[in-house]
Amino acid sequence: DIVMTQSPESLAVFPGERVTISCKSSQSVLNSSNNKNYLAWYQQKPGQPPKLLFYWASTRQYGDPDRFSSSGSGTDFTLTISSLQSEDVAVYYCQQYYSLPITFGQGTRLEI
Amino acid sequence: QLQVVESGGGVVQPGRSLRLSCAASGFPFTTYGMHWLRQAPGKGLEWVAGISNDGLNKYFRDSVKGRFTISRDDSKNTVYLQMNNVRPEDTAIYYCAKANGWCTNGLCYQNWWGQGTLVIVSS
Repeated sequence: DIVMTQSPESLAVFPGERVTISCKSSQSVLNSSNNKNYLAWYQQKPGQPPKLLFYWASTRQYGDPDRFSSSGSGTDFTLTISSLQSEDVAVYYCQQYYSLPITFGQGTRLEI
Repeated sequence: QLQVVESGGGVVQPGRSLRLSCAASGFPFTTYGMHWLRQAPGKGLEWVAGISNDGLNKYFRDSVKGRFTISRDDSKNTVYLQMNNVRPEDTAIYYCAKANGWCTNGLCYQNWWGQGTLVIVSS
């Protein structure tokens, strides 16, 4: 199984701050045949199901605010929130769908 | 409006069976694969199983292989998770989720999730 490791596990930040979450995979999730990274990011607010933020490592899901950005390739990925808003309080998960079983990072909890 | 609604959760004794249902609407059901994922209380996310859009291909994590089955009834826009011989470690909120289009071999992200249904395995 591909192990996904996120850091930090939790983060206390102020509104307006820039936030960076790291996600590393135990093996590359880049498919060389189509040059796509099989990496997604989800946001889970308290009491709610996860919501897709990004797929193919950097493609923003329709409707998500552009203060969120995602980058990376191979084994190292980053989710960035340029200016944290109060509504961004949530747990953020990265996910690889390069191979089965699909696996998630342990999550990063953002608090204000 | 796109909607995915799970049902069938509850308290079940170890070794018994339970069937979860997931009713989908607001999108062409037969075009998309569907997945089940779970989240133990206070824990992270875990993928459980997936089924292709045509129902011919099914995928499971190792810990549920031979115990869980997944199926779909396209006439009812519903996907099922049959859970047999359940164990205490199966206790979780079970989410049903729509897979992205054009994914193959179960290698999909999930772009719409239901609210989940809670399964508690306890004697």
